Amino acid sequence: QQPVQSPQAVILREGEDAVINCSSSKALYSVHWYRQKHGEAPVFLMILLKGGEQKGHEKISASFNEKKQQSSLYLTASQLSYSGTYFCGTESYGGATNKLIFGTGTLLAVQP
Amino acid sequence: EPEVTQTPSHQVTQMGQEVILRCVPISNHLYFYWYRQILGQKVEFLVSFYNNEISEKSEIFDDQFSVERPDGSNFTLKIRSTKLEDSAMYFCASSENSAGGGQPQHFGDGTRLSIL
Repeated sequence: QQPVQSPQAVILREGEDAVINCSSSKALYSVHWYRQKHGEAPVFLMILLKGGEQKGHEKISASFNEKKQQSSLYLTASQLSYSGTYFCGTESYGGATNKLIFGTGTLLAVQP
Repeated sequence: EPEVTQTPSHQVTQMGQEVILRCVPISNHLYFYWYRQILGQKVEFLVSFYNNEISEKSEIFDDQFSVERPDGSNFTLKIRSTKLEDSAMYFCASSENSAGGGQPQHFGDGTRLSIL
């Protein structure tokens, strides 16, 4: 089942913050966050496994709610290099392998 | 840092022709995947592969598609008779261990397949 991402797009000035949401109608095994720049491969950012988990590196962090149905990616004090499309990839319980089902993506544009 | 490599970077093929996309996963990884991304759309799962056999496949992965690990390093995706709608970016990914899930998947740079 495809996760729902919001917003579809966001435009920021350098230094501003953004939140990207990823939600599912069912509890998830894990959520993976990726950033993809135009014409390039998705780059892994982080993975969340536990309900209530928060994780981050530098100014990019993410949370996974207790019910494991929603994850949010937080981008603080955005930089030009943060521009790209952010995808959440979700793993469901009961799958044969950890295939990822991706959301439709959030296009983030950071302007000077 | 180890990376997933894919060749070719761009493949142009006539409709109806066979095409083989190649991938070299990260050497100590055990699980391999193919995804595709139609221009401007989301990344879609095609197939996962472990222990020399398909573990899971999506409805997109019909009889025209096959995967193989012909030797200890390469992982290939074959499309037998290409259609216009097969035009997309194809990504190979690998993960260290899928047991229990929750392993990061590392993506190659992709092969852009254009069907004429």
